[in-house]
Amino acid sequence: ETGVTQTPRHLVMGMTNKKSLKCEQHLGHNAMYWYKQSAKKPLELMFVYNFKEQTENNSVPSRFSPECPNSSHLFLHLHTLQPEDSALYLCASSQDLAGSYNEQFFGPGTRLTVL
Amino acid sequence: DAKTTQPNSMESNEEEPVHLPCNHSTISGTDYIHWYRQLPSQGPEYVIHGLTSNVNNRMASLAIAEDRKSSTLILHRATLRDAAVYYCILRSQGGSEKLVFGKGTKLTVNP
Repeated sequence: ETGVTQTPRHLVMGMTNKKSLKCEQHLGHNAMYWYKQSAKKPLELMFVYNFKEQTENNSVPSRFSPECPNSSHLFLHLHTLQPEDSALYLCASSQDLAGSYNEQFFGPGTRLTVL
Repeated sequence: DAKTTQPNSMESNEEEPVHLPCNHSTISGTDYIHWYRQLPSQGPEYVIHGLTSNVNNRMASLAIAEDRKSSTLILHRATLRDAAVYYCILRSQGGSEKLVFGKGTKLTVNP
């Protein structure tokens, strides 16, 4: 138990569906992240939020739309996805954005399958 | 962020020590060396980090070469639960908040 929860743990959706992934952290952290982990590929950073403000969008297609209503919650809204978007989506949080020693805590991920 | 190189896979026997190497020949003076691991069906978890001196914590030890161009993560007594992918990552002091993951080393622990 890392203090970062993600729901749902598994999601199957069609290409025309709209769904949302939810992440919640109970650690009092200020920064939150979305990562994507595709089969046979390293984890890729998608978005970074700090104090609810987006600080980084790593050239992510607009069919992925993040939302951070407060420092404890992070959503990833999905619409008109492609089969190649099937992956494990991981949420993480850290105290702040200080890079050198700031440990990131990861949730268990949402396994997404796009049919 | 500077690049790291790790073996794709390693094997160990239970209760034996494991030395996981990482090369980072282009490391800069302000880069910290971080290790994370990802157990099957879980998100990554922090293991340890260091700058110049060797570091120990409850999970592992980190041995850093004097020239800092390489480091070794040491698991003193491997257990089956240590089977995971281990990632060696460089993070610049005061720099990017990103964790740039490579492919890591997949550790198999044999009973």
